[in-house]
Amino acid sequence: SAVISQKPSRDICQRGTSLTIQCQVDSQVTMMFWYRQQPGQSLTLIATANQGSEATYESGFVIDKFPISRPNLTFSTLTVSNMSPEDSSIYLCSVGLREGNEAFFGQGTRLTVV
Amino acid sequence: GENVEQHPSTLSVQEGDSAVIKCTYSDSASNYFPWYKQELGKRPQLIIDIRSNVGEKKDQRIAVTLNKTAKHFSLHITETQPEDSAVYFCAASKDTGRRALTFGSGTRLQVQP
Repeated sequence: SAVISQKPSRDICQRGTSLTIQCQVDSQVTMMFWYRQQPGQSLTLIATANQGSEATYESGFVIDKFPISRPNLTFSTLTVSNMSPEDSSIYLCSVGLREGNEAFFGQGTRLTVV
Repeated sequence: GENVEQHPSTLSVQEGDSAVIKCTYSDSASNYFPWYKQELGKRPQLIIDIRSNVGEKKDQRIAVTLNKTAKHFSLHITETQPEDSAVYFCAASKDTGRRALTFGSGTRLQVQP
């Protein structure tokens, strides 16, 4: 498995501002993903963070709203830009190991936009 | 893209009974099917998974079955305990391409002592 550190664990933000969430892994991983989990809901993939290139976004998510960086094989950031109350969710970083499909999750960032 | 449907949305059982959660998937190219358990306020934890070259897999009280022809897979928990109470998610992915998981809608399992 992998040890995934995600921060901040929670934040309360003013609408119109931006928040950057960090995800640090204790080993090099091939795949890193960002998911959103709205209250009481399932997990929805936002994007795949690609090392050294632009992230791959899922339908309904755009780079201007959710810019992602992945400068190396152990670190990624997700920014939630120009926030509105509808962005209040848990944001989860997930990693896939070199072999197999197993995915492991960070502890999540609980974001509340007021 | 892939679509995963999960039933039931809630399930209440008595301690010691069995619980079964079912999922169907749409993409016949999917070949990896994990199950996650998420306790309140915590991250999803992988509890068991199965690949398409296997029909069943067991790990103590937990088992998963896969029917590739029908494109459905199920989680079976036997001898349920109160600590099994949580939300369970099924998911599906391929082992090529982006490999990201598509999740079902979740099942809230309540084990009554």
